[in-house]
Formats: sequence, structure tokens, C-alpha cells
Amino acid sequence: EPEVTQTPSHQVTQMGQEVILRCVPISNHLYFYWYRQILGQKVEFLVSFYNNEISEKSEIFDDQFSVERPDGSNFTLKIRSTKLEDSAMYFCASKGVLAVTDTQYFGPGTRLTVL
Amino acid sequence: GNSVTQMEGPVTLSEEAFLTINCTYTATGYPSLFWYVQYPGEGLQLLLKATKADDKGSNKGFEATYRKETTSFHLEKGSVQVSDSAVYFCALSPSKAAGNKLTFGGGTRVLVKP
Repeated sequence: EPEVTQTPSHQVTQMGQEVILRCVPISNHLYFYWYRQILGQKVEFLVSFYNNEISEKSEIFDDQFSVERPDGSNFTLKIRSTKLEDSAMYFCASKGVLAVTDTQYFGPGTRLTVL
Repeated sequence: GNSVTQMEGPVTLSEEAFLTINCTYTATGYPSLFWYVQYPGEGLQLLLKATKADDKGSNKGFEATYRKETTSFHLEKGSVQVSDSAVYFCALSPSKAAGNKLTFGGGTRVLVKP
């Protein structure tokens, strides 16, 4: 069964450093998402991406964040200058194009620890 | 805006007990409703969903019915197992239009003891 994959599973970085989190969505999906979950808190939407552009973003997704689909398979989230409060689990999700297929499938997550 | 409220945990049960996790939502229009489950150390997995009023989603013995009159989507299982220990998230997608983000509840941790 197709699945969303994410790398790395755990990333440790120093405050102020840039990180890139990588995701490979399900191959025939066209909508891509990033969510994050700070430890013990709810899952929060960051950004959605369709047709090579951001379709929606949350207040959390400020100028320090960017997303890219550099080729036909990867979908990345970049944080330019990490802060302590960026420590969280980051989930990638993807969804097909049919209106009735409105299920988002999630990857296993990348745990980001900012020291 | 859209929001999802679910009962706070942790919920501690014995094996074979009945489980109910309450979930209510606020949204305009006719959202789709979901339950996701997060097992220890893992990501989010779709457990079940319902896309219109009175639909019942079911999977692995879990059920939830989309109740528009009470704006609820409570999760139930008649006889839980230790392997059901996880965090359960209720979520909504505001419409059937493609691309809409999910709004999650706070999650309910369930611990099933042998």
C-alpha cells in the first residue's frame, strides 16, 4: 500500500541553524501539507501546497518557513533560522485530487529538536 | 472559525471495557469528519471518517456517527484491547472541496490495562 515517507526521523540542530525536512508524498497525489505537533499539544496546520504554489498557510508559517517541490517526488519544508520553539514533530501529508477522496495520508513525522 | 473539541484524557480502561471519546465541532457548511490514531512513537493514521450527516464510519471495531443536529462525532468501541492504547484525534475538513486543511482536536490519550 502506498505511503508517505519522511526523512530524517529525528533532527537535532542548534538555534539559528537552517534545517530542511523532507517528504515523499504518495505518487499520484497532488495536494501536500505540513503540520506540526509540539510535545503534548494538538496537531497544527502549517501550510498546504498545490500546483507548485502555496494554497493556504497559517500564522505560524512566517518568513522563516518555506516549502518547495524541487522535483516530481519530494516535498520539503525549510526553516531558515531555527528557534527553540520550533522544536516539535513535523508531519507531512498528501491527498489525491478527487473531491470525494478527501482523506489526507500522513507520514511518520520528523522530530525536530532545537538546542 | 472552525474548531474541534474533544474530551481530555487520559482515559484509563480495563481490557474488554467500552470506550467512548466525545468530539464536537464548529464549522460552516458540511465538513467531513475524521478520527486519526497515533500509537506510541508513530505518526498519524486514519482510523475512520464520515463525509455527510448520519454517515457512520467504522474500522477495527471502532465506530463514529456524524450527527449534524448535535455537531458531534463521538468515537466508540465496544470491547477495547491493550493494543488500542494510543492517542486519538478528532478532526474536520471544512468542505469536500479539494485542498482544505484539517483542524484537529487536542487529542485524547487512551490507556488500556490488561
